[in-house]
Amino acid sequence: QKEVEQDPGPLSVPEGAIVSLNCTYSNSAFQYFMWYRQYSRKGPELLMYTYSSGNKEDGRFTAQVDKSSKYISLFIRDSQPSDSATYLCALKSPGGGNKLTFGTGTQLKVEL
Amino acid sequence: DAGVIQSPRHEVTEMGQEVTLRCKPISGHNSLFWYRQTMMRGLELLIYFNNNVPIDDSGMPEDRFSAKMPNASFSTLKIQPSEPRDSAVYFCASSLSGTGIQPQHFGDGTRLSIL
Repeated sequence: QKEVEQDPGPLSVPEGAIVSLNCTYSNSAFQYFMWYRQYSRKGPELLMYTYSSGNKEDGRFTAQVDKSSKYISLFIRDSQPSDSATYLCALKSPGGGNKLTFGTGTQLKVEL
Repeated sequence: DAGVIQSPRHEVTEMGQEVTLRCKPISGHNSLFWYRQTMMRGLELLIYFNNNVPIDDSGMPEDRFSAKMPNASFSTLKIQPSEPRDSAVYFCASSLSGTGIQPQHFGDGTRLSIL
């Protein structure tokens, strides 16, 4: 079993839809939770991060963490075609330097 | 501001050849990471360095892979001999080290095809 599971998609939604992207993890040592966005033929870039259970909002994006269920989510409101990308969750434990464990990524397409 | 710079952007070579991928991290960053990304396995950490010293190379698939960081501004990942199953996109990332969340900044990758 992988440490981090993420549905690869692809996920196709109409413009303006609310998008929900999710990851589950098995290692309770993970304490820091990140979402990276990767456009085609580019490297991933950090979108949001959090280290506590609950919600964190940044504009149209909300990151949600449920440590008891080992479940993290990224919600995108009023999705735009420019949000079309692959979204990867990334998790970090307090020890181990800055080593991240990534999900495989969910490919999202927002259509006009 | 210059980001992480990788070269070459694309590499096509025949199996058995030596391949060298290069990375220049962001100035001032003291952690450097090499990743491999494929459709099947996603983004896998191969090796990472702190202050030019390899800290964790448990992700290096086999002895054909080697990585060096001779100074704070340059790193290489070498595959010798290369095999078709090494075909993937290889990313380099750099960050500051420390507690908490230190964002990793990625280059745009090297797309490697081994024929």
